[in-house]
Amino acid sequence: QKEVEQNSGPLSVPEGAIASLNCTYSDRGSQSFFWYRQYSGKSPELIMFIYSNGDKEDGRFTAQLNKASQYVSLLIRDSQPSDSATYLCAVIGTGRRALTFGSGTRLQVQP
Amino acid sequence: DAGVIQSPRHEVTEMGQEVTLRCKPISGHNSLFWYRQTMMRGLELLIYFNNNVPIDDSGMPEDRFSAKMPNASFSTLKIQPSEPRDSAVYFCASSPFGPNSPLHFGNGTRLTVT
Repeated sequence: QKEVEQNSGPLSVPEGAIASLNCTYSDRGSQSFFWYRQYSGKSPELIMFIYSNGDKEDGRFTAQLNKASQYVSLLIRDSQPSDSATYLCAVIGTGRRALTFGSGTRLQVQP
Repeated sequence: DAGVIQSPRHEVTEMGQEVTLRCKPISGHNSLFWYRQTMMRGLELLIYFNNNVPIDDSGMPEDRFSAKMPNASFSTLKIQPSEPRDSAVYFCASSPFGPNSPLHFGNGTRLTVT
């Protein structure tokens, strides 16, 4: 079982819709959770991080964490074509000292 | 803020040759990470330094790989001898307060070993 699992996609949504990206993790003791965005041929850049159960909002982005179910999600409201990218979920597990990344979900926002 | 600087951007070498990748972290950041990204395996941690000291090198594939951080402003990742399966994009990242603070990635080095 992979430590961090994501559906590779592509996830295709129309412009203006809500995109929902999901991630599950295997280590129940994980404490820190991050979402990074990576455009093709570019380096990953941080979108959000979340440490506590519940929702965290930042502009059009909302991160949701459910530790009991071991999943973290990212919602993108009013999706724009410029949001088309690969979204990487990253987790720090028990005893680990650095981020473990999922393989990413490719999002396509159709104009 | 110049960001994390990696060199070279592209490296093409023949199997068996030595390859050295370089990284200059953001000034003031105390943690530095080397990651490798491939289509098959995604983004994998190779090694993590904190205050120039290697903390976690469990991701270093084998003895052919070595990493150093002689001072707070410079790190190298060396592969000797290189093999075709080492072909990947190698990212260096730094963070101000360890892995729980945001990682800032460099532009990466695309390595091709023929």
